Amino acid sequence: AQSVAQPEDQVNVAEGNPLTVKCTYSVSGNPYLFWYVQYPNRGLQFLLKYITGDNLVKGSYGFEAEFNKSQTSFHLKKPSALVSDSALYFCVWEDNNDMRFGAGTRLTVKP
Amino acid sequence: EAGVAQSPRYKIIEKRQSVAFWCNPISGHATLYWYQQILGQGPKLLIQFQNNGVVDDSQLPKDRFSAERLKGVDSTLKIQPAKLEDSAVYLCASSSQTLGRNEQFFGPGTRLTVL
Repeated sequence: AQSVAQPEDQVNVAEGNPLTVKCTYSVSGNPYLFWYVQYPNRGLQFLLKYITGDNLVKGSYGFEAEFNKSQTSFHLKKPSALVSDSALYFCVWEDNNDMRFGAGTRLTVKP
Repeated sequence: EAGVAQSPRYKIIEKRQSVAFWCNPISGHATLYWYQQILGQGPKLLIQFQNNGVVDDSQLPKDRFSAERLKGVDSTLKIQPAKLEDSAVYLCASSSQTLGRNEQFFGPGTRLTVL
């Protein structure tokens, strides 16, 4: 079945270190991929999207993601993590107007 | 601009009771979505509206769930009767185009507990 997968339930990094939240996809054709973030006690927020064009996509709050067709990945990255980045991150695939969410990865950034 | 509004924020009911959730999308957003997010999982789309018409309700359990958006603005999601497994956060989102490739704006959600 076509889907996105987030292989890590939890990612822990120290403040100031680079962070990576992984996502792989199993989708035929050209996928439309997104990252959303869910902060504690706040609604889901859009971070960035890949539709077509440059494989490196820049988004909100200093995040970026690289679309890698050969590895079928769309990992979320940030060069220097902040404690305030601690949240639940979802990789999302658009399937014919439906948004299919991954299971989520909880990122914890420690001071 | 005001965000997506949802009410109530929390609801506790007993199984077999009925419950309704309300959503008011961002002004001018034609597309409205209802999602169910069970603890530990990503949101699952229940239904998508374009104005007052249903675009996709393939994952809506129609024997107990119903939703409407009569005037193409705010929307109501109802569960009747509720089951224990309906305990979840119900999220409403809106976007400005039919195709979901545009950013979706989410409300704070309604946390439902079914006892």
